[in-house]
Amino acid sequence: QQQVKQSPQSLIVQKGGISIINCAYENTAFDYFPWYQQFPGKGPALLIAIRPDVSEKKEGRFTISFNKSAKQFSLHIMDSQPGDSATYFCAASYSGNQFYFGTGTSLTVIP
Amino acid sequence: GAGVSQSPSNKVTEKGKDVELRCDPISGHTALYWYRQSLGQGLEFLIYFQGNSAPDKSGLPSDRFSAERTGGSVSTLTIQRTQQEDSAVYLCASSWRQGSGGYTFGSGTRLTVV
Repeated sequence: QQQVKQSPQSLIVQKGGISIINCAYENTAFDYFPWYQQFPGKGPALLIAIRPDVSEKKEGRFTISFNKSAKQFSLHIMDSQPGDSATYFCAASYSGNQFYFGTGTSLTVIP
Repeated sequence: GAGVSQSPSNKVTEKGKDVELRCDPISGHTALYWYRQSLGQGLEFLIYFQGNSAPDKSGLPSDRFSAERTGGSVSTLTIQRTQQEDSAVYLCASSWRQGSGGYTFGSGTRLTVV
């Protein structure tokens, strides 16, 4: 059973555009929601994370929007760049237990 | 070390052989995790270690899989009698302690069973 559902599976965006990746979860005990970025041949790297007491967190061009009532959260990449082309994973965890990951989104930013 | 180190980076083995994958976490990190990444399947939790506590083995897919962590540092994931469906990238991650926020992942070991 997939604890965290992620969409879309792949995404193509023009340079300068906005990339949006969505995730949904069922377990209301989840209290930590990170996003990871993975380049080919590398392990995932923590990009940005949010806790459910806030609805939005912004770091540079990356923003997480969190909707607790809908049990959804999304990653927005503003002014997308070719260097942002990677696979992005959302995840969720609770009380320090193991992370549950989404299935990943392959982002391609076209110059 | 500066990051999580995994070895080997690539491993090709024959079906039925045993393999050992090694993870050297960041110095001082007490929590260590193993995940498996298959194409289109995201990251599948396998096992985690927290200090000297008994490991959480709930994600191990079969009794052919086992892991140990010696001295609270280096960990070895062992797969016995490998099968083709074991082919995947095996990722190790560590953190200061369980629940302390994001993990730091290694680059993984790509296992191919032929």
